Order: sequence, then structure tokens, then C-alpha cells
Amino acid sequence: EAQVTQNPRYLITVTGKKLTVTCSQNMNHEYMSWYRQDPGLGLRQIYYSMNVEVTDKGDVPEGYKVSRKEKRNFPLILESPSPNQTSLYFCASSLFQHNEQFFGPGTRLTVL
Amino acid sequence: GENVEQHPSTLSVQEGDSAVIKCTYSDSASNYFPWYKQELGKRPQLIIDIRSNVGEKKDQRIAVTLNKTAKHFSLHITETQPEDSAVYFCAASIRYGGSQGNLIFGKGTKLSVKP
Repeated sequence: EAQVTQNPRYLITVTGKKLTVTCSQNMNHEYMSWYRQDPGLGLRQIYYSMNVEVTDKGDVPEGYKVSRKEKRNFPLILESPSPNQTSLYFCASSLFQHNEQFFGPGTRLTVL
Repeated sequence: GENVEQHPSTLSVQEGDSAVIKCTYSDSASNYFPWYKQELGKRPQLIIDIRSNVGEKKDQRIAVTLNKTAKHFSLHITETQPEDSAVYFCAASIRYGGSQGNLIFGKGTKLSVKP
């Protein structure tokens, strides 16, 4: 089944404790992206990747890192999480940059 | 910075009526404009998209129009049904440093269709 998976789906952590949210797609998509969704603010792009080893900043990249060592995986890293990073995070992928994006199920992160 | 404004933030219609959601964008180089629907507790899903070389696109009850001169685009849903109730997001591709890989989303419109 073609899909985008994210793990974990829910995470409660404390300020400063490094964490990684994984994202994987099995559709051989070149483009992958991370978004955060906050009430009243819509979806805001954090980072995106046009292909392996090619990543670029989105609208709100501060406090996040990403890597794209393999085509299927695009992990989101929070080196030192802070409470203002509490949010719902979505990973998405598409064949190319201006095609339908398929979203993962979301990861709800709470930073205390 | 680059911006996508979306209006209205909430919209309530009677079943069978039409619904229109409007978005404006600031980057004249934007060339891709998707619309996503997000039902409560679910992930966003693409419902229609349009590219800058096209003025209008239709898919059954859904249509999108683009006015490049005015930098605005709109979603039209005809013969609305209760299952159309959801939050709708518009988006525009944004150019940063020569790349068009960014997508800026509007803040969303919560559409309620009353039976």
C-alpha cells in the first residue's frame, strides 16, 4: 500500500531533550516536506527536500534540522526542544515539487 | 515575507448552496496553487490544484479560478453536501533563492454545510 508513515504518533517530552521524528514513504517520491500545524495558523512549512542530499528551509526552520540520506526517509530532528515547538507535525511527499502531496498521519508533540 | 491570505476563516452554508473561498498571494513568481481539505482529526488531502498557465480548472463540483494579474485564486464548491464540511487550505509556491520548492499555506477556512 502506497503510504507515508511517521513515528512516533504521539510524544510528550521535556525541554532540551533531543528527539527525532521519522518519516518514510514507499512511493519513490523525490520531494518530501515537513509542516507544523497550530490552531489559527494553518500549515507552516519547516523544511523540504527536492531529492537525496538536497534540503532547504521552509517558512519556520528555526530550532529544527533535517537530513535526506535516502530517498524514502526524511527525519525531523529537534536538537533542544522548547515548549513553543509543541504542535502537530505532518510529513508529506510528492513525486516532484509541484505535484499532489501525500501527508503522513501526523505526530502530536508536547514539550513540557 | 511572502504571504498567502485566505478568506473567510469560517463559512456556513445550507446543503445545496455554493461555497466560495478566496486567497491572495504576494509573490508574483508563484506558479503552483493547490487546495487541500482536512476533515476533523485527519490529514490534509489534495482536492484540486492549478498552475499559473491556466485560468480555471474544474473537477465535478469543485472549481478553482486564478487571476495572476490580481494575484488571487478562489475555490468554488457547488451543490454542497454535509460531507464537504471540513477545513480547506489554499497554498502558493514561493520562490526563495531561485527555488520554488516552498509552499506557503493560508490559515484555513472552516466550512460547515448544514443539512
